[in-house]
Amino acid sequence: QQQVKQSPQSLIVQKGGISIINCAYENTAFDYFPWYQQFPGKGPALLIAIRPDVSEKKEGRFTISFNKSAKQFSLHIMDSQPGDSATYFCAARLNSGYSTLTFGKGTMLLVSP
Amino acid sequence: DVKVTQSSRYLVKRTGEKVFLECVQDMDHENMFWYRQDPGLGLRLIYFSYDVKMKEKGDIPEGYSVSREKKERFSLILESASTNQTSMYLCASSVPTGEAFFGQGTRLTVV
Repeated sequence: QQQVKQSPQSLIVQKGGISIINCAYENTAFDYFPWYQQFPGKGPALLIAIRPDVSEKKEGRFTISFNKSAKQFSLHIMDSQPGDSATYFCAARLNSGYSTLTFGKGTMLLVSP
Repeated sequence: DVKVTQSSRYLVKRTGEKVFLECVQDMDHENMFWYRQDPGLGLRLIYFSYDVKMKEKGDIPEGYSVSREKKERFSLILESASTNQTSMYLCASSVPTGEAFFGQGTRLTVV
């Protein structure tokens, strides 16, 4: 299976709060897990990514937590800002083949002022 | 910075027309992809290419074809556009380690 399940579909967070988006996968052959951020009218942009040999990666206010045994990974946005309002996609790549990414269905995040 | 450029931001075409969506990348990436994005469905892979003149079907290739005559250019072709192909189309290129870079998207409306 190549499915990546993402939740929630939408999320409203107060400014300064923590936004958490979750993804789960079935295929243990995935070896690369990126998160993409997309603003309206723009293409997705790579935000942060992790490989399964680490459990956490942090870049500024953005952190990926990775649980290999549970086959789950999540994006945490600390001190969420209105400028973080966007659609977020998780994805996963198979460790063989041509680097194709399988995407979750996306989460629309709204950070209220 | 990697740049992936799609030739049109917005297109309106009539049912039955042949439609060409063009994409150019400037980073000498071997892998290029076409996705379509629909609300609630995320990004779905239509076709990808791992080398010049090479192509592979993605998850939803029906009604589409592709062309890659030069390494930097990857074209998506709708042979006979239909209203259910109204969507946002995204082109991407990637490095072997997996990082993919997207264009700004083409919003296609078929009437």
